[in-house]
Amino acid sequence: AQKVTQAQTEISVVEKEDVTLDCVYETRDTTYYLFWYKQPPSGELVFLIRRNSFDEQNEISGRYSWNFQKSTSSFNFTITASQVVDSAVYFCALRPLGTSGSRLTFGEGTQLTVNP
Amino acid sequence: ETGVTQSPTHLIKTRGQQVTLRCSSQSGHNTVSWYQQALGQGPQFIFQYYREEENGRGNFPPRFSGLQFPNYSSELNVNALELDDSALYLCASSLIPGRKNNEQFFGPGTRLTVL
Repeated sequence: AQKVTQAQTEISVVEKEDVTLDCVYETRDTTYYLFWYKQPPSGELVFLIRRNSFDEQNEISGRYSWNFQKSTSSFNFTITASQVVDSAVYFCALRPLGTSGSRLTFGEGTQLTVNP
Repeated sequence: ETGVTQSPTHLIKTRGQQVTLRCSSQSGHNTVSWYQQALGQGPQFIFQYYREEENGRGNFPPRFSGLQFPNYSSELNVNALELDDSALYLCASSLIPGRKNNEQFFGPGTRLTVL
């Protein structure tokens, strides 16, 4: 069974602050993918990143960066110099590799509000 | 935009009724997954269709059923609606299940309200 925990229900920051969203996961699979999705008020889930379980190299994309630590089963997401447009619900998700399906297991989400 | 479309955008039904939600997958994608997202929660996997057959199912009762058509579009049918079925229903399309680079691209969802 898979489980994804996002302990932070809501985070509120002021524009230009850095913010880190936490994600902890549980799985018995040895190979899996981890994802982050953004859900703006419109409701559509926007894919941000996929990380393989066998690649622990951190990744940076513009103001976004991700810290994957297999030893602590965590996959945290940092937004540097946050902007009002970053306000959304962010979901961390897990998918085992090589199963017959491709179901994603999502966390409960973190509501990020960036105030001007 | 992902190219995944869903209809209708919003729907209001009463308890006991039946509902059909529709999804058109992104061009080139042959797999469709359905998720239910209750208010304030993360999406929950309902089931997936690949080549017109169910290819995995989450913890949902049989009154949740689906179809996939030869053009890879899909329908989600819910019978005997209950109040707890009120949610955002998300459709996601992807390539062949189980492949490595198999991102799921989500549609805008259908907001179902059951009164």
